[in-house]
Amino acid sequence: AQSVTQLGSHVSVSEGALVLLRCNYSSSVPPYLFWYVQYPNQGLQLLLKYTSAATLVKGINGFEAEFKKSETSFHLTKPSAHMSDAAEYFCAVSKRGSNYKLTFGKGTLLTVNP
Amino acid sequence: NAGVTQTPKFQVLKTGQSMTLQCAQDMNHEYMSWYRQDPGMGLRLIHYSVGAGITDQGEVPNGYNVSRSTTEDFPLRLLSAAPSQTSVYFCASSMTHSGQETQYFGPGTRLLVL
Repeated sequence: AQSVTQLGSHVSVSEGALVLLRCNYSSSVPPYLFWYVQYPNQGLQLLLKYTSAATLVKGINGFEAEFKKSETSFHLTKPSAHMSDAAEYFCAVSKRGSNYKLTFGKGTLLTVNP
Repeated sequence: NAGVTQTPKFQVLKTGQSMTLQCAQDMNHEYMSWYRQDPGMGLRLIHYSVGAGITDQGEVPNGYNVSRSTTEDFPLRLLSAAPSQTSVYFCASSMTHSGQETQYFGPGTRLLVL
């Protein structure tokens, strides 16, 4: 079975500060890992994904994440937060070849203060 | 392309009523999935399909039925609604090909069961 743990249900940062959202996964097989963003009353939009190529993955809106197998982590970072980054962020894992069965973390709500 | 579309956007049901949540995609994706999102729970997989005529259960299938008669459509049926099914429902689709692992999500259907 696979699982995802997102540390911190709510993270608050100041505009211009570093954003760090933590994700740890559990998987018995090499995983695919994803970060999605959800703005209020909208669907989910893919930020970035790891599918066994480069371990440092760059996504949209200046976000990036690094796959660390030894730490079973896939933390999401952005050097400088913008007000428009305020949203809920979900980390998800799937088995390779089974991208129709995502297992999600419980989400982290990011607040950006002016 | 319209992507993944869902109807209705919002629905109120009484306990015991039945309804069908519609989902369609115009990207010729083989895989389609239904998730429910509840506060503090992230998204949980209800049912999924790997092609027309093929469906299977996810993590929380009880109380829901699905069918997939065409590649484009994947409706979710609630046979006898219960208050515990109050949630936001998301449909998603994706491809089988390596390098195309992203699941694309619809805008969601908010369901309230009284």
